Amino acid sequence: SQQGEEDPQALSIQEGENATMNCSYKTSINNLQWYRQNSGRGLVHLILIRSNEREKHSGRLRVTLDTSKKSSSLLITASRAADTASYFCATDKGGSYIPTFGRGTSLIVHP
Amino acid sequence: GAVVSQHPSWVICKSGTSVKIECRSLDFQATTMFWYRQFPKQSLMLMATSNEGSKATYEQGVEKDKFLINHASLTLSTLTVTSAHPEDSSFYICSARGGQVFSYEQYFGPGTRLTVT
Repeated sequence: SQQGEEDPQALSIQEGENATMNCSYKTSINNLQWYRQNSGRGLVHLILIRSNEREKHSGRLRVTLDTSKKSSSLLITASRAADTASYFCATDKGGSYIPTFGRGTSLIVHP
Repeated sequence: GAVVSQHPSWVICKSGTSVKIECRSLDFQATTMFWYRQFPKQSLMLMATSNEGSKATYEQGVEKDKFLINHASLTLSTLTVTSAHPEDSSFYICSARGGQVFSYEQYFGPGTRLTVT
């Protein structure tokens, strides 16, 4: 069964705007990862944030983690049309070292 | 970064036939490989985990006799869908992990789209 659940399911924004996606999970984790998937393609790893970290940055990406609320957010700043993709969060489901994926957020960035 | 390839990229087959999908790690040795299945606009569902030279570990609800997994070398794992039916049509993605067993780093292949008619 899925561990993480992303919200919203779909997001449509204009180029230049920020995009925020949220992920909630149910059981304790050691880390949480965010992945990107272009339509009909494999997954690309974006960021891993450990349970003892609260925020992490990578370029235009900012990930936060709130273990007390069992939630994480992915912020993409100054979005580009090329950011159009599905974004998934994945948790390790109690230290299994195997990511368990949520349903994903479909992001469309209009040029 | 590490590269994982899958072959074929897409395949169309008739109901009742078997289809083999290959997953290769091109520039590293994959001690563990994972096979996922993804329906349109859905999440990736883990099907099985395989370690080189060992039998695959299947997730609950996945028929091991239908989805045969072989991890014969450190760079190749195969998934064979036996006696395929239209409900097996899906996007199959493999991922590979090398080095430390206790590592979260894994690399995904581009996926194989299977259509069973």
